[in-house]
Amino acid sequence: GEDVEQSLFLSVREGDSSVINCTYTDSSSTYLYWYKQEPGAGLQLLTYIFSNMDMKQDQRLTVLLNKKDKHLSLRIADTQTGDSAIYFCAESIVTDKLIFGTGTRLQVFP
Amino acid sequence: NAGVTQTPKFRVLKTGQSMTLLCAQDMNHEYMYWYRQDPGMGLRLIHYSVGEGTTAKGEVPDGYNVSRLKKQNFLLGLESAAPSQTSVYFCATSGFGYTFGSGTRLTVV
Repeated sequence: GEDVEQSLFLSVREGDSSVINCTYTDSSSTYLYWYKQEPGAGLQLLTYIFSNMDMKQDQRLTVLLNKKDKHLSLRIADTQTGDSAIYFCAESIVTDKLIFGTGTRLQVFP
Repeated sequence: NAGVTQTPKFRVLKTGQSMTLLCAQDMNHEYMYWYRQDPGMGLRLIHYSVGEGTTAKGEVPDGYNVSRLKKQNFLLGLESAAPSQTSVYFCATSGFGYTFGSGTRLTVV
């Protein structure tokens, strides 16, 4: 079945790297996404990766995809207090249908 | 260009009252979705629409109804609110990935 799993919490010190992990079950996923939700706001698309890629870098963000293990990760370099938020991964199986994980709450402390 | 707009942003209802949440989009997207977000449960799909005049059930449709009379609007109705419907409700549209509204925080007492 369709299931996307994430750990619920991650706490890091300001300036360190954060790694948020996600596992998914459908190997036919075409795109995989990372969304960020700040307190009191909706989800915003942060980055994405196409399923035929294994890495994508965008400034402080690095997305790694291991299709064999169905594992997706988001690395945030030099984590700042403004990165504190809930991060959702999502997989796209068919056009216009996304399956979301439960979200990982990232807390950054000084 | 507002994207996806949800109204109201906050609402408190008494058990048994009814209300309608409005989602409006200006991106000309065909697909629209209503989700609810509860602590530790992520996003759960309530209903969705694949185009004007169409609606379909999602994962947790009971107690909700929807209508899509115009392409740009997707309405979510609660006919008789229950405390279990206390949640944050998000509307989304589908282009590349989803675009979300800012949410409606509903409390049923």
